[in-house]
Amino acid sequence: SQQGEEDPQALSIQEGENATMNCSYKTSINNLQWYRQNSGRGLVHLILIRSNEREKHSGRLRVTLDTSKKSSSLLITASRAADTASYFCATWSGGGKLIFGQGTELSVKP
Amino acid sequence: DTAVSQTPKYLVTQMGNDKSIKCEQNLGHDTMYWYKQDSKKFLKIMFSYNNKELIINETVPNRFSPKSPDKAHLNLHINSLELGDSAVYFCASSQAGGDQPQHFGDGTRLSIL
Repeated sequence: SQQGEEDPQALSIQEGENATMNCSYKTSINNLQWYRQNSGRGLVHLILIRSNEREKHSGRLRVTLDTSKKSSSLLITASRAADTASYFCATWSGGGKLIFGQGTELSVKP
Repeated sequence: DTAVSQTPKYLVTQMGNDKSIKCEQNLGHDTMYWYKQDSKKFLKIMFSYNNKELIINETVPNRFSPKSPDKAHLNLHINSLELGDSAVYFCASSQAGGDQPQHFGDGTRLSIL
């Protein structure tokens, strides 16, 4: 069964606002990764957080991980129109494969 | 100098036909993958190869046959195409290990008429 569930399914904000996306999963994990997919393109890796980490930053991205709640969040600060894309969380549980959530569609209006 | 390239980008064909999708990566990775993304954007792994050896085969119908002639190439052949095969197929590559980011191609959009 699918590991990751994302919330919200769609998010529409104005440029300059922050965007927060959440991901929940069901089983214990080794790490959780976030990917971005622009329309008509492949997925691009954004950030990886290990199960023993609680927070990680990369530029305007901040990821948190709460293993007790089996959830993660991705925060994009000061969003830009170019951030418009679908965002996916993916979990690695040691079984040799990444399991993806169904994604959040982010629309940033100029 | 595209990192992971797939061909063709679009594939429109009739039910019952056989088709192939090719994938090449120039990143020096030793692991390659095929994923299927459906119309709701749900992305599911189909196959994974490490150093030309099949590692993962995710309950995919045997009409789908991957082939890895070398570490840099992973092709996907599909026999007797069905309507339900319509989807976007993504190739990806990474170094071995679950803590390695995966690099995706831009996908092959397969439409079955």
